[in-house]
Amino acid sequence: AQSVTQLGSHVSVSEGALVLLRCNYSSSVPPYLFWYVQYPNQGLQLLLKYTSAATLVKGINGFEAEFKKSETSFHLTKPSAHMSDAAEYFCAVRPIQGAQKLVFGQGTRLTINP
Amino acid sequence: GAGVSQSPSNKVTEKGKDVELRCDPISGHTALYWYRQSLGQGLEFLIYFQGNSAPDKSGLPSDRFSAERTGGSVSTLTIQRTQQEDSAVYLCASSPQGLAGGVLPYNEQFFGPGTRLTVL
Repeated sequence: AQSVTQLGSHVSVSEGALVLLRCNYSSSVPPYLFWYVQYPNQGLQLLLKYTSAATLVKGINGFEAEFKKSETSFHLTKPSAHMSDAAEYFCAVRPIQGAQKLVFGQGTRLTINP
Repeated sequence: GAGVSQSPSNKVTEKGKDVELRCDPISGHTALYWYRQSLGQGLEFLIYFQGNSAPDKSGLPSDRFSAERTGGSVSTLTIQRTQQEDSAVYLCASSPQGLAGGVLPYNEQFFGPGTRLTVL
């Protein structure tokens, strides 16, 4: 079964600093990978997705993620944090074939310090 | 355009009561998913509907949980004899149809705002 591990349930960075949120997946075949963001009292919004077209994926709000097969990782980064980035971030996987459900990591709450 | 909507936004109920949660997917989306978000378990898949195919119920935690999707659009998640451990945010999502008529696995799932269920 596929699984996702997000290292760090809470990450705190200063405004303007680099944001790095870690995600590792467990799968015998590279799956499709997604990052979602959840703002307080809202649903999930897709930031970006990896569908095997390119290993470096650019998303909304200045975020990007790099798929590294050798490390089974899909870490999310943003060069310069903004106060509005404070939210919870979820990494998710979905197999290329078979079950259509998303399997989510536990989430990382990002706090931005002024 | 309108996104996925869910009602009610909040539901407080007493242990043992039945509840119904409603999801209105984006018009034209053929796939509909229910997830549960709770403090202890994170985000869990519950059930998936795709067109007229039999639903994937593999995530439903017990037989107290059921869901239906009428006319390929609106869906209702029903929890019977609610328990305190059912307290969670229930999220609905929908996906568009792919070129071949099915749902492509990398198609985005669009999420609704959720229903917060509290069982006293």
